[in-house]
Amino acid sequence: QVQLQESGPGLVKPSQTLSLLCTVSGVSVSRGDYYWTWIRHHPGKGLEWVGNVYYSARTYYNPSLESQVTISLDASKNQFSLKMTSVTAADTAIYYCAGESTRHYAMDVWGQGTTVTVSS
Amino acid sequence: EIVLTQSPGTLSLSPGERATLSCRASQSVTSNYLNWYHQKAGQAPSLLIYGASSRATGIPDRFSGSGSGTDFTLTISRLEPEDFGVYYCQQYGSSPYTFGGGTKLQI
Repeated sequence: QVQLQESGPGLVKPSQTLSLLCTVSGVSVSRGDYYWTWIRHHPGKGLEWVGNVYYSARTYYNPSLESQVTISLDASKNQFSLKMTSVTAADTAIYYCAGESTRHYAMDVWGQGTTVTVSS
Repeated sequence: EIVLTQSPGTLSLSPGERATLSCRASQSVTSNYLNWYHQKAGQAPSLLIYGASSRATGIPDRFSGSGSGTDFTLTISRLEPEDFGVYYCQQYGSSPYTFGGGTKLQI
């Protein structure tokens, strides 16, 4: 059974870098079964796709966030990460890591989500 | 980017009733690459339907998806109490992937 778990600080100061980790169990991130994905949910708003990384390290980003986002894999720890630079209050959200299955291109496994607040 | 508009915003129904949720795209969704998710309060979304009409593993057959091009529908034939929550459509036909604003289903 594939499981994902987010970790990282819940509070980040404006202009600093947000760093989150997603620990994967039940499948190796080095296999081509999933695109490893970050999605965020702003308070009172809908879901926003941030981007993903494939086992080959190829990344795909939302163009609206591409200048401030880096998603990468650490196969040795079976983890993938999100780094977002120069954050503002607009980056306050619940951040989910998810696996987009390469079988049917849908996010069929999700972490529980972690709340990140950007505030001084 | 493709904008997905979901309607209605809120739907109030009783157990046993039929629910029809709409998702309209600002341009045609390539190859009907559209998914539906269900999110309960305090939980992550969970996959219901992929490819517009295929049920995900373990999803009961009271859930069905249909549509093509720019108009898609999620139908729940007989509502159960556990079906409350917010339903989102999501397209993956063109980058960036986008989600609709959600329909809140109140039982």
